[in-house]
Amino acid sequence: RKEVEQDPGPFNVPEGATVAFNCTYSNSASQSFFWYRQDCRKEPKLLMSVYSSGNEDGRFTAQLNRASQYISLLIRDSKLSDSATYLCVASYNFNKFYFGSGTKLNVKP
Amino acid sequence: DGGITQSPKYLFRKEGQNVTLSCEQNLNHDAMYWYRQDPGQGLRLIYYSQIVNDFQKGDIAEGYSVSREKKESFPLTVTSAQKNPTAFYLCASSGRDRIPTNEKLFFGSGTQLSVL
Repeated sequence: RKEVEQDPGPFNVPEGATVAFNCTYSNSASQSFFWYRQDCRKEPKLLMSVYSSGNEDGRFTAQLNRASQYISLLIRDSKLSDSATYLCVASYNFNKFYFGSGTKLNVKP
Repeated sequence: DGGITQSPKYLFRKEGQNVTLSCEQNLNHDAMYWYRQDPGQGLRLIYYSQIVNDFQKGDIAEGYSVSREKKESFPLTVTSAQKNPTAFYLCASSGRDRIPTNEKLFFGSGTQLSVL
């Protein structure tokens, strides 16, 4: 079983739509969680950390459910520039990071 | 500018050849990592190092070797024993922000390795 699992998509949405991604993790000892964004053939870039109380950064909202071991990312008012692959990451022992395979988002005009 | 520098951006390997990918960071991070990414897949850990002169195998270390002689540098050698080396290789380092105090990964721009 993979440490972190995501729906690969693609999610095809029109501009302005709200879209949500979920990701599940198997290791209950995981301590920190992140969402990274990766454009084609580029390095992943940190989008946001995910905190237990949930957190928001502009149009992006991340939630963590420790009881069910899943993380979510909500994107409101989608822009064409949001088209990318979104990687879910769980870490434990402060320096072991496990990546999901990524969820591809296509935002269309 | 602080960051992680990987070179070269593209690399071609002949059969039976060893090649070395460079990774340098000036973020003063202790931990460094090498990941491999195949098309449409997530990142898989090859090796990691938490401190100078120490490194550990990741999930797919066979056919690879590393060294960590300096804090700033963590080169990866793809040996001839790695039979399927074509992939996108990413180097990363991790360090703590002031708030919250959790480790975050920062990546170099990657090296695309292909077999001739």
